[in-house]
Parts: sequence; C-alpha cells; structure tokens
Amino acid sequence: EPEVTQTPSHQVTQMGQEVILRCVPISNHLYFYWYRQILGQKVEFLVSFYNNEISEKSEIFDDQFSVERPDGSNFTLKIRSTKLEDSAMYFCASSRIQVYEQYFGPGTRLTVT
Amino acid sequence: KNQVEQSPQSLIILEGKNCTLQCNYTVSPFSNLRWYKQDTGRGPVSLTIMTFSENTKSNGRYTATLDADTKQSSLHITASQLSDSASYICVVSAQSNDYKLSFGAGTTVTVRA
Repeated sequence: EPEVTQTPSHQVTQMGQEVILRCVPISNHLYFYWYRQILGQKVEFLVSFYNNEISEKSEIFDDQFSVERPDGSNFTLKIRSTKLEDSAMYFCASSRIQVYEQYFGPGTRLTVT
Repeated sequence: KNQVEQSPQSLIILEGKNCTLQCNYTVSPFSNLRWYKQDTGRGPVSLTIMTFSENTKSNGRYTATLDADTKQSSLHITASQLSDSASYICVVSAQSNDYKLSFGAGTTVTVRA
C-alpha cells in the first residue's frame, strides 16, 4: 500500500540554523500539506499546496517558513532561522483530491537547541 | 474561531470492553468531520470521514456518529483490543476552507489486559 514518507526521522539543529524537512507524498496525490505537533499539544495546520502554489496557510506559517516541490516527487518544508519554539513533530500529508482522505507521513521530530 | 473540543481527555478500559469518545465543534459552515487514530510518535491514520449528510459510518470495530444540528460527533470502539491504545483525534474542516483542518486535542485511550 502506498504511503507518505518523510526524512529525516529526527533532526537536531542549533537555533538560527536553516533546516529542510523532506517528504515524498503518495504518487498520484495532488494536494500536499504540512502540520506540526508540539509535544503534548494538538496537531496544527501549517500550509497546504496545490498546483505548485500555496493554497492556504496558517498564522504560524510566517516568513521563516517556505515550501517547495522541487521535482515531481519531493515536497519540502524549509525553516530559515530556527527558534527554540520550532521544536516539534512535523507531519507531511497528501490527498488525491480536495475534501478527501489525507494520508499522513510518520513525521520528522525537529529539536532546536 | 473554529474550535474542536474532545472528551474525555483520557480513559482506561479493559480489553474486550466498549467505549465512546465525544467531540463537539464550532466550525461553521461545516464541511466534513474525520476521526483519526494516532499511535505514539506516529502520524495520524484516518478512521472515518463524514459529511453533513451522513450520521453514521463504520470502519471495522470503529463506528462514528455525527449530529450536524447539535455539532456533535462520537466514536464508538467495540470489543477493544490492546492495539486500540492510542490517541483518537476529531478533525473538522469548514466548507469555505477544506484545505485547513481544525484538530481536537485528542482522547488518549489505554486498553489493559
């Protein structure tokens, strides 16, 4: 069964450094998403991406964040200058069509020290 | 502001027993409601998706109900198994904004032998 994959599973970085989290969505899906979950808190929507552009973003997704689909398979989330409060689990998800089941990846645990 | 509230926060049940989780939401206009299962350290996995016209949907031992008038949903787990131990998250999307999902904080279910 196809699945969303994410790399790395755990990333440790120093405050102020740039990080890129990578995701490979399910191949025939058209909609891509990033979510984050701070330890012990609820999952929060960050951004959705369709047709090579951002379709929706939350107030969390400020200028420090960017997303890109650099090729036909990868979907990345970049944080330009990480802060301690960026430490969280970041989930990528994809769906075949809008208003349809979103499949989540296993997550990348980002630790900012 | 769109909100999703879940209760109880956590519960412990014996293997083989049934349990029911509750979800109340204020998302409007409503598009669909999803229940996800999230194992510790993993991404959420979809159990059910219901639109406003559906009032019950089953997936194996999981049965979700929806009352769009009172903005309430429940997830019933029948004949619980040890593998049902997880966080169960209620997720709602608004009709105007299907890309952006609003997550509840989840109910942590622990099944004991």
